[in-house]
Amino acid sequence: AQSVTQPDIHITVSEGASLELRCNYSYGATPYLFWYVQSPGQGLQLLLKYFSGDTLVQGIKGFEAEFKRSQSSFNLRKPSVHWSDAAEYFCAVGTRNTGTASKLTFGTGTRLQVTL
Amino acid sequence: EPEVTQTPSHQVTQMGQEVILRCVPISNHLYFYWYRQILGQKVEFLVSFYNNEISEKSEIFDDQFSVERPDGSNFTLKIRSTKLEDSAMYFCASRQENVGNEQFFGPGTRLTVL
Repeated sequence: AQSVTQPDIHITVSEGASLELRCNYSYGATPYLFWYVQSPGQGLQLLLKYFSGDTLVQGIKGFEAEFKRSQSSFNLRKPSVHWSDAAEYFCAVGTRNTGTASKLTFGTGTRLQVTL
Repeated sequence: EPEVTQTPSHQVTQMGQEVILRCVPISNHLYFYWYRQILGQKVEFLVSFYNNEISEKSEIFDDQFSVERPDGSNFTLKIRSTKLEDSAMYFCASRQENVGNEQFFGPGTRLTVL
């Protein structure tokens, strides 16, 4: 069974500083990988995804993530954080099983606080 | 841009009552999902639905839960007899076939059981 670990529960960065949120996954093959963002009281918005190909993927709002197979990681990065980036960030893994509906398994989330 | 919609946005009910949460997936999507998020916790998979039947369900999805696609557009989650611990945000999601596993999420229904 797949699993996701987000080791950082809470991160605080200053506006304009760089950001890296960690995500490690466990899955027997190459998974589908996702980062979602959730603002307070809101739903889940997809930031970016990795299916195959280039291991560095670009997403919305200036975010990027790099898939590293050797480390089973898919860390999210942003070079310069804006106050509006304060939210909860979830990493998720989906399977490549054909013939099934393939659920997503989420990590516990990282809450990002941005100080001015 | 097409989106998943959910109604109601907030539902308050008494313990033991039945609730039905409604979702309208994106029209050309074929896979449908329900997830829930208890306050302050991670998003958990409940059930997936494809070709008019349940494809997979989690241990959370016991006999009190059921899903239905009553027509060509709606996808519902019914909780037969609600418990206090059912209080959570419930998210519906849908995806196309053969496009990886990118699921599009609705805004959620906050269920409060008193």
